[in-house]
Amino acid sequence: EAQVTQNPRYLITVTGKKLTVTCSQNMNHEYMSWYRQDPGLGLRQIYYSMNVEVTDKGDVPEGYKVSRKEKRNFPLILESPSPNQTSLYFCASSSGGGAFEQYFGPGTRLTVT
Amino acid sequence: AQKITQTQPGMFVQEKEAVTLDCTYDTSDPSYGLFWYKQPSSGEMIFLIYQGSYDQQNATEGRYSLNFQKARKSANLVISASQLGDSAMYFCAMSGINDYKLSFGAGTTVTVRA
Repeated sequence: EAQVTQNPRYLITVTGKKLTVTCSQNMNHEYMSWYRQDPGLGLRQIYYSMNVEVTDKGDVPEGYKVSRKEKRNFPLILESPSPNQTSLYFCASSSGGGAFEQYFGPGTRLTVT
Repeated sequence: AQKITQTQPGMFVQEKEAVTLDCTYDTSDPSYGLFWYKQPSSGEMIFLIYQGSYDQQNATEGRYSLNFQKARKSANLVISASQLGDSAMYFCAMSGINDYKLSFGAGTTVTVRA
């Protein structure tokens, strides 16, 4: 089954404790992206990757890091999480740019206390 | 820069009736794509329909149709014959054709009443 997986699905952590949210897709997509969803703001792009070793900032990259060492994986790293990073996070992948549907993972609900 | 505006935070619709969700956009890209996604209470994002700015005809997918008015920069979603399972949040989004960034509106919550 074609899918995007994320782990963990739920995470409660404390301020400053480094964490990684994993994302993996099995569709051989070149493009992957991370979004955060906050009430009243829709989804906002954090980082995206056009291919292995190629990443770029989205609209809200501060406080986040990413890496793309393999085509299928695109982890999101929070080196020192803060409460304002409490949000619902989505990973997505697609086979191309703006004319292509993005396939979303199930989401990761992160709470930073 | 791209901007998506969804002015209806919430709507109620009677089962079996049609509902129109408004979406206006602003972009400097000459070619772009417009998307609608559905997010049920379970949280996943479900792709519904796509319209390219260069498409001559409005897109349709089953009970979903996109009323695309390029001059007015609007891309409204029409859901015909609403079902209880259509209760969800709906997001309008857009991207430049050669872009890798998808910009979303704030969303509209639809509640279908029996």
